[in-house]
Amino acid sequence: GAGVSQSPSNKVTEKGKDVELRCDPISGHTALYWYRQSLGQGLEFLIYFQGNSAPDKSGLPSDRFSAERTGGSVSTLTIQRTQQEDSAVYLCASTPSYGSNQPQHFGDGTRLSIL
Amino acid sequence: EDQVTQSPEALRLQEGESSSLNCSYTVSGLRGLFWYRQDPGKGPEFLFTLYSAGEEKEKERLKATLTKKESFLHITAPKPEDSATYLCAVQAGSNSGYALNFGKGTSLLVTP
Repeated sequence: GAGVSQSPSNKVTEKGKDVELRCDPISGHTALYWYRQSLGQGLEFLIYFQGNSAPDKSGLPSDRFSAERTGGSVSTLTIQRTQQEDSAVYLCASTPSYGSNQPQHFGDGTRLSIL
Repeated sequence: EDQVTQSPEALRLQEGESSSLNCSYTVSGLRGLFWYRQDPGKGPEFLFTLYSAGEEKEKERLKATLTKKESFLHITAPKPEDSATYLCAVQAGSNSGYALNFGKGTSLLVTP
């Protein structure tokens, strides 16, 4: 596709369940970023990938969060044992290469609601 | 600690009424300042990147400027379709992997 694609667009789940969020970056983009946007808050950086590697996982809110990327393309963000405070919009962005001075192109996000 | 503060939080303008949005920042080693537009239910849409103080960029009714402490997004003769949330973000030397540090945004409503 032409842009960053995220799925599902909406996800409602019960507290304690695991969820998997998917991001398909722009074709050929090697750098990929995950952010979280909570109501009334700014976008919060979670993790980035340079190719398939995630050198810094310190932005993940807790050890219930994990992410992977395979084949230098699709990435999945997994949240285990979801809590109500995990409710937010999860956004993914990509850039053509890893480096500064490149605008990040965002998908429309996954709106996650924990009941 | 890097900080990005946007003001005002919300702004209501009449069509044709020009105004400016502010983004003040405190970062170590600014690499770039980015402006995005976000419509409800959508992801941020890239508008501009500014790299150094004194730089200006324009697109249609929007003009972004940068000083050493802040950036302004000037909106000239706005139209209702300019209604959106405008986000400012900085990329700094302290950011992990060139991640962006966002402000909370300014919600702009332009009425006919």
